[in-house]
Amino acid sequence: AQSVTQLDSHVSVSEGTPVLLRCNYSSSYSPSLFWYVQHPNKGLQLLLKYTSAATLVKGINGFEAEFKKSETSFHLTKPSAHMSDAAEYFCVVSPSGGNTPLVFGKGTRLSVIA
Amino acid sequence: DAGVIQSPRHEVTEMGQEVTLRCKPISGHNSLFWYRQTMMRGLELLIYFNNNVPIDDSGMPEDRFSAKMPNASFSTLKIQPSEPRDSAVYFCASSLVIRGYDQPQHFGDGTRLSIL
Repeated sequence: AQSVTQLDSHVSVSEGTPVLLRCNYSSSYSPSLFWYVQHPNKGLQLLLKYTSAATLVKGINGFEAEFKKSETSFHLTKPSAHMSDAAEYFCVVSPSGGNTPLVFGKGTRLSVIA
Repeated sequence: DAGVIQSPRHEVTEMGQEVTLRCKPISGHNSLFWYRQTMMRGLELLIYFNNNVPIDDSGMPEDRFSAKMPNASFSTLKIQPSEPRDSAVYFCASSLVIRGYDQPQHFGDGTRLSIL
C-alpha cells in the first residue's frame, strides 16, 4: 500500500527565516509526489510535482522539494518565509502506475510570525 | 482558463433536508473526484469518476450519499436525508487521466456545508 506521512502537524517560523516541512512516503515502486497548499476558505493548489525527471523540484512562490529515495523523503523548503505563506500544506503520493488516485497526507499547518 | 467550479459556496440547512452539491470540472479533464474535509478526519476521498463512470465509491460514508456524473461537464453529490455530522467542506477536483491517476488534480474552492 502507498502512504504518506507528514511528520509535523504544525510548524511555526519567523518571517524571513527558512521553512522546512517534512514528508516521508512508503512505496514499493517509484512514485509520483506532489505538494499542495491550501489557504483559508480555498481549495488545494498545486505547489510542485516530482515525476522522476529531476530530484530537486522547483515550485511556485519560491518553494522547492528534494526527492531522496534512500530516505523515502520529499521535504518541502523555502529559504525565506513570507507572511502570505501561512497556510496548510499537503504532501501527496501517487501509487505506482497510477492505478488508483492520489493519496493525501494529513497536512502541516504553517504559521509565520512577524 | 476557468478552473473547477463548485456551487453553492456555502449551504446551511436543517437536518433531514436534501442537499445537492454541484461541480463543473475543467474542460477536457476526464476524471472527477469528490472529497470531504473535516478537522477530525482531514481530507477523505468519497468517490471518483473516469469518463463519467463511477470507478470507486468505497469512500461514500453511507447510503444517504449519492453522486452522479451525467456528462463530462457536470457532477452532483447528494445527501438525503442530511444529518449534523455531514457538516464539512466538500471539494470537487478534476484531472486528465492518460495512462494513470498520477497527474495533478485541480481543486474547486469547495462547498462549506452546515447541517443544523
